[in-house]
Amino acid sequence: GDSVTQMEGPVTLSEEAFLTINCTYTATGYPSLFWYVQYPGEGLQLLLKATKADDKGSNKGFEATYRKETTSFHLEKGSVQVSDSAVYFCALSGGYNQGGKLIFGQGTELSVKP
Amino acid sequence: EPEVTQTPSHQVTQMGQEVILRCVPISNHLYFYWYRQILGQKVEFLVSFYNNEISEKSEIFDDQFSVERPDGSNFTLKIRSTKLEDSAMYFCASRLGQGANYGYTFGSGTRLTVV
Repeated sequence: GDSVTQMEGPVTLSEEAFLTINCTYTATGYPSLFWYVQYPGEGLQLLLKATKADDKGSNKGFEATYRKETTSFHLEKGSVQVSDSAVYFCALSGGYNQGGKLIFGQGTELSVKP
Repeated sequence: EPEVTQTPSHQVTQMGQEVILRCVPISNHLYFYWYRQILGQKVEFLVSFYNNEISEKSEIFDDQFSVERPDGSNFTLKIRSTKLEDSAMYFCASRLGQGANYGYTFGSGTRLTVV
């Protein structure tokens, strides 16, 4: 079945460092891809998404490009801040006839130190 | 911005008791979901609901679980006889449509602790 694999955390960075969180997926058809963020004590918030190959999703300085050839959707940010400390989830959703549920990766905890 | 509201934020229950988790989806949304997250693990799909019936459910969603939209506003998840392993954060989500461009809105979750 469809699945998402993320790099294991925790990831600890200094403020202003470059961030990459790797995400690869296995899916039939043409899924949409998402990054969700979960701040401490809060629910899931959509960070960015891409719905077709070569699309780039971006928000709040974060970017991810839908790479069909490598089945990847890596999350990047050029300069992280302490406020970016959170758990990041990569997820996919299948096509129209595939039920619409989200399939999540295991999450990657990011800790940014001042 | 419209929100998905979940109550309570934290519930403690004794093993074997029934528990009902409540969600108020965004008012014009048509598709509703429950997910759970056991502490430190991935978020897992439980069930999707559309047009007053379950459209898909996972292996986790066994006979102990049920969902209901009793009044066109609330969307509830009932666990009939809770087990210790049901302790988790439960998230409700809703969306307007099912195509790729329809986003999901998640509630802030109910933390269920079974003792």
